[in-house]
Amino acid sequence: KQEVTQIPAALSVPEGENLVLNCSFTDSAIYNLQWFRQDPGKGLTSLLLIQSSQREQTSGRLNASLDKSSGRSTLYIAASQPGDSATYLCAFSNAGNMLTFGGGTRLMVKP
Amino acid sequence: KAGVTQTPRYLIKTRGQQVTLSCSPISGHRSVSWYQQTPGQGLQFLFEYFSETQRNKGNFPGRFSGRQFSNSRSEMNVSTLELGDSALYLCASSSKPGLTLETQYFGPGTRLLVL
Repeated sequence: KQEVTQIPAALSVPEGENLVLNCSFTDSAIYNLQWFRQDPGKGLTSLLLIQSSQREQTSGRLNASLDKSSGRSTLYIAASQPGDSATYLCAFSNAGNMLTFGGGTRLMVKP
Repeated sequence: KAGVTQTPRYLIKTRGQQVTLSCSPISGHRSVSWYQQTPGQGLQFLFEYFSETQRNKGNFPGRFSGRQFSNSRSEMNVSTLELGDSALYLCASSSKPGLTLETQYFGPGTRLLVL
């Protein structure tokens, strides 16, 4: 059974700092990995999707990497802004559209 | 293109009652998945429907059920509500089931409070 762990659970940084969020998984038989953002009380917004054959994806200030051999994925946020404050979730798909989520990292970017 | 819509957005019920939540996927999307989000358990997969057929089911009791209509709209039903069913219920849609190389799009959720 796939288990997904996100570290740290919470993070507070000053505006402008570059930061890395970590996600680890136990089953390397994944089809794809997605990073989502969730604002308080809201649904999920997809940020990046990495197929199992890829190693990374980039969108603007965001870069996500995938290392299946070590069971890890990282989300890099460059030049963080207060608007980046949210909970970030990683999720893996290894069967159909069933996503297995990590517990999330709650990010606070202080002005 | 309109996003995934869920109704109602908020709901208060009492123990023992039943509830029905609705999800309308993005136009053209035929796969709908449901998730439960609680502070203690996080996000957990409930079930997935495609072309009116349940394709996958998570580890939830039989009180949780769902269905999908010919227009791809989906409903989930929870019978005999328990306090622990209080959660944010999220619906996600995608254009196809199975091995997916595309993202899923989530709705804003229905927040259910069971008293």
